[in-house]
Amino acid sequence: DIQMTQSPSSLSASVGDRVTITCRASQGISNYLAWYQQKPGKVPKLLIYAASTLQSGVPSRFSGSGSGTDFTLTISSLQPEDVATYYCQKYNNIPPHPFGQGTRLEIK
Amino acid sequence: EVQLVESGGGLVQPGGSLRLSCAASGFTFSNSWMTWVRQAPGKGLEWVANIKEDGNRNYYVDSVKGRFTISRDNAKNSLYLQMNSLRAEDTGVYYCLRDHGDHGPDSWGQGTLVTVSS
Repeated sequence: DIQMTQSPSSLSASVGDRVTITCRASQGISNYLAWYQQKPGKVPKLLIYAASTLQSGVPSRFSGSGSGTDFTLTISSLQPEDVATYYCQKYNNIPPHPFGQGTRLEIK
Repeated sequence: EVQLVESGGGLVQPGGSLRLSCAASGFTFSNSWMTWVRQAPGKGLEWVANIKEDGNRNYYVDSVKGRFTISRDNAKNSLYLQMNSLRAEDTGVYYCLRDHGDHGPDSWGQGTLVTVSS
């Protein structure tokens, strides 16, 4: 089965900083990669699908890139409301569809 | 608007059974793969199982194979998860998701809490 590995597991940055989270698949998954944001006590929210397509309503400071095995989620200018845990997930193709272990993002 | 409403969670003893339901509305249920995801307290997200549009194919994470059964009733726009031989490590919030093809799993229910404890 394909494994998804995120890094870092936690991250502290200042408001306005550019933040990057990476996700690596143990085998190629084309661009079938989604990113989710989960705020404390809330349901996860889809941010990006197909590795780089922004879900409707998601602020443009969020972006995704990558294909194959290596993917990146970038927040161009960190805002206080972006404090959350971020997860990547492979989807489509053959299940299972594991998540990465998550990246906890805090404000410095 | 897509709506997914889970029910059926609760407290159950180890070795017991529970059946979760997910009522779907706002989209053509019979055209969508559906998924269950869980989250143990304070932990990350874990993909549990999914099922094809017509119910004729399903997949499970290794840790629940042989114990959990995913099913659906397209006439009732409902998804189910039958959970048997429950263990403490099955404790968590269980979410129902719609798989929107190339757009990925784009809609989540609010979740239902399952607690396995004596």
